[in-house]
Amino acid sequence: SYEVTQPPAVSVSPGQTASITCSGDKLGDKYPRWYQQKPGQSPVLVIYQDGKRPSGIPERFSGSNSGNTATLTISGTQAIDEADYYCQAWDSTTVVFGGGTKLTVL
Amino acid sequence: EVQLLESGGGLEQPGGSLRLSCAVSGFTFSTYSMTWVRQAPGKGLEWVSGISGSGGNAYYADSVRGRFTISRDNSKNTLYLQMHSLRAEDTAVYYCAKSGGGDAPRYWYFDLWGRGTLVTVSS
Repeated sequence: SYEVTQPPAVSVSPGQTASITCSGDKLGDKYPRWYQQKPGQSPVLVIYQDGKRPSGIPERFSGSNSGNTATLTISGTQAIDEADYYCQAWDSTTVVFGGGTKLTVL
Repeated sequence: EVQLLESGGGLEQPGGSLRLSCAVSGFTFSTYSMTWVRQAPGKGLEWVSGISGSGGNAYYADSVRGRFTISRDNSKNTLYLQMHSLRAEDTAVYYCAKSGGGDAPRYWYFDLWGRGTLVTVSS
């Protein structure tokens, strides 16, 4: 079965750029989506369809992908961005989530 | 107001059954595919099942195929998940989510989520 892999944790200083990666076979062809989840809350879509941001998502969130790796980039990271982030792809007729990355802003 | 409201969770014994519901308002329900995603305590997201807007196509994760059945009633704007042969590893918060992008999983992204309903499988 298809798998996508994320680092368990990433840390960043306020105001700096955070990069969260997601890896999988030919992931670049699968237009990975990204979700943010804060403790006790439901997930929120932040990136979809090759880098698009839903309404209400700040411009500091961007996505890119190429080959086997996708990257969620948060520019000028703020304390409110501290959360778990999940990438999502697909394989055949199923949906696959990465294991999640805990972003710490310190 | 757009809203997805899950219900039907609770405590069930191993081998038992539960039916989850997700009542939807604020968008044209029949136009969109819908999905169930679960999250075990302290763990990550796991896709469970999805269904096309018409209800004609249903998709399942290997972990639930043959035990769970997804369905929808477009006249009632409600999504369902019938769960049988429950196992301890099915314990999780179950979220319903609106699937943007089209009728097939390759296009799905989940742009609206409910608050979830907790299912606990334990004796």
